[in-house]
Amino acid sequence: QKEVEQDPGPLSVPEGAIVSLNCTYSNSAFQYFMWYRQYSRKGPELLMYTYSSGNKEDGRFTAQVDKSSKYISLFIRDSQPSDSATYLCAMANAGNMLTFGGGTRLMVKP
Amino acid sequence: KAGVTQTPRYLIKTRGQQVTLSCSPISGHRSVSWYQQTPGQGLQFLFEYFSETQRNKGNFPGRFSGRQFSNSRSEMNVSTLELGDSALYLCASSLEQGPQQFFGPGTRLTVL
Repeated sequence: QKEVEQDPGPLSVPEGAIVSLNCTYSNSAFQYFMWYRQYSRKGPELLMYTYSSGNKEDGRFTAQVDKSSKYISLFIRDSQPSDSATYLCAMANAGNMLTFGGGTRLMVKP
Repeated sequence: KAGVTQTPRYLIKTRGQQVTLSCSPISGHRSVSWYQQTPGQGLQFLFEYFSETQRNKGNFPGRFSGRQFSNSRSEMNVSTLELGDSALYLCASSLEQGPQQFFGPGTRLTVL
């Protein structure tokens, strides 16, 4: 079993929908939680960064961390076709070694 | 501020050869990490360098090695290439503290 699990999708939604992306993890030592967006043939782009449990909002994006359930989420409001990409969750304990989920492919249809 | 740059962007090699990839971090970033991305295994951590020293290492064979120079630029080397080494190799840089890492566009390596 992988340390970080993520549904690969694809997840297809209509433009304007609220998107919910999730990851579960098994390593209770993880303290830092990140979401990256990766377009085809590009490097991952950091979207959200959260330390420990709680919520963080940035524009249309909201990240939630529930350490008690070992579950993190990314919500995208008013989704746009330009949001179509692969979304990767990543986690770390104290160092700079990130452990990634496998990524969820999102398609937002006009 | 310029982002992370990686060269070359594409490489084709044959089995048994060796390859060197280069990464220039964001100005002021002293930590450079390398990752391998494949369809089957996803993104996997290779190693991290900080102040010219390897600080963390992932679970890859010794054929994978790296180094960092005094200007924080980093190189990774893969010797005796195998077909399974075909992947997108990503470099990420970060400040000394905190795991927020910023990725370059990657080098796509194809081993024939």
